[in-house]
Amino acid sequence: EPEVTQTPSHQVTQMGQEVILRCVPISNHLYFYWYRQILGQKVEFLVSFYNNEISEKSEIFDDQFSVERPDGSNFTLKIRSTKLEDSAMYFCASSELGTLRDYGYTFGSGTRLTVV
Amino acid sequence: DQQVKQNSPSLSVQEGRISILNCDYTNSMFDYFLWYKKYPAEGPTFLISISSIKDKNEDGRFTVFLNKSAKHLSLHIVPSQPGDSAVYFCAASPRNSGNTPLVFGKGTRLSVIA
Repeated sequence: EPEVTQTPSHQVTQMGQEVILRCVPISNHLYFYWYRQILGQKVEFLVSFYNNEISEKSEIFDDQFSVERPDGSNFTLKIRSTKLEDSAMYFCASSELGTLRDYGYTFGSGTRLTVV
Repeated sequence: DQQVKQNSPSLSVQEGRISILNCDYTNSMFDYFLWYKKYPAEGPTFLISISSIKDKNEDGRFTVFLNKSAKHLSLHIVPSQPGDSAVYFCAASPRNSGNTPLVFGKGTRLSVIA
């Protein structure tokens, strides 16, 4: 079963530091996403990425956030200067070109980011 | 602004009985609905979906019902098994395409008791 792989599983960082969360989407998927879930809250959309550019982004995805697909396999989320409220579980997801009907997205296991 | 609401944070059900998880939405533009299941330390896993042109979709023990006029959907699991214990997220999308942000509810934690 193909998987979306995320590293690290847990990242602790000091407030104001930069973090990079890494994801390896499923190889034949074309659309990539980042979502996050603050503890006890809903899963929230951050950004979608297709054809080497951002397709859509939410209000959460401000100038402190950026995404990149540096080498054709990795998909990264960078937070330039972390804040306490960035502490959350960050999920990467990917999907094939086509419809949601049969598969939805495939999510990774997430990276728990703790900002101290 | 909660466009997708799961008003029950938790639900306990006896093994073998039916589990009914509910979800309400406010955005009439939503056209496609999905349920995801999440175990601890794992990402959400797609479970079942339904298009707004249908009112029911069934896959084995899982059935999703959609009532568009009430803006309400529900997931029925029958019979419930201990392995079904997880957090269930309802999600919605304004279109059925592979490049669509999903709007999630807060989830309902289902506990199936043996």
